[in-house]
Amino acid sequence: TQLLEQSPQFLSIQEGENLTVYCNSSSVFSSLQWYRQEPGEGPVLLVTVVTGGEVKKLKRLTFQFGDARKDSSLHITAAQPGDTGLYLCAGAPGETSGSRLTFGEGTQLTVNP
Amino acid sequence: NAGVTQTPKFQVLKTGQSMTLQCAQDMNHEYMSWYRQDPGMGLRLIHYSVGAGITDQGEVPNGYNVSRSTTEDFPLRLLSAAPSQTSVYFCASSFSPGVTEAFFGQGTRLTVV
Repeated sequence: TQLLEQSPQFLSIQEGENLTVYCNSSSVFSSLQWYRQEPGEGPVLLVTVVTGGEVKKLKRLTFQFGDARKDSSLHITAAQPGDTGLYLCAGAPGETSGSRLTFGEGTQLTVNP
Repeated sequence: NAGVTQTPKFQVLKTGQSMTLQCAQDMNHEYMSWYRQDPGMGLRLIHYSVGAGITDQGEVPNGYNVSRSTTEDFPLRLLSAAPSQTSVYFCASSFSPGVTEAFFGQGTRLTVV
């Protein structure tokens, strides 16, 4: 089993602050996905990174895939209360990833007004 | 679009009872999977399927059975419910192997007493 460790597990910040969530593994992944989950709902995909060193931006969210494809980070600039939610990273182990994803434990983010 | 539909949304079982969690998708996805989500543990893969007639075990398969008679449906059976199976269960589907988005249902919250 390929393990993904997310940190921090909980994060409570004030509106306007910046934050970074980390996703680390000792294994190499063919791709890394970030999902956001709201209470009572299933996770929803934010982004997929595939190439080592890749950086993707989604408005105030910046995602980076490590050069060795073993780690990833999510940086949020000027967080807003609407960013509150559970952020999950998920790694695909190879060409047959499809629905077989390994998830991290999640980071519960709370942005206070 | 319906996407991935799970039923029921809530269920309470007595220890030893059996039941089936239903999952259906209307996106013609080949890949379907079942996860359980427990506090602080992210999502753990129970079983997955790469197409009709093909299933395989994930990380935590004990106590659960699956079958895939059609592309659309992927039911999860609890053979003899135990309190340790109290969890939130998510079904997911995706189109093809590789870098693809997994679409999740809204989840089934199961309590075993």
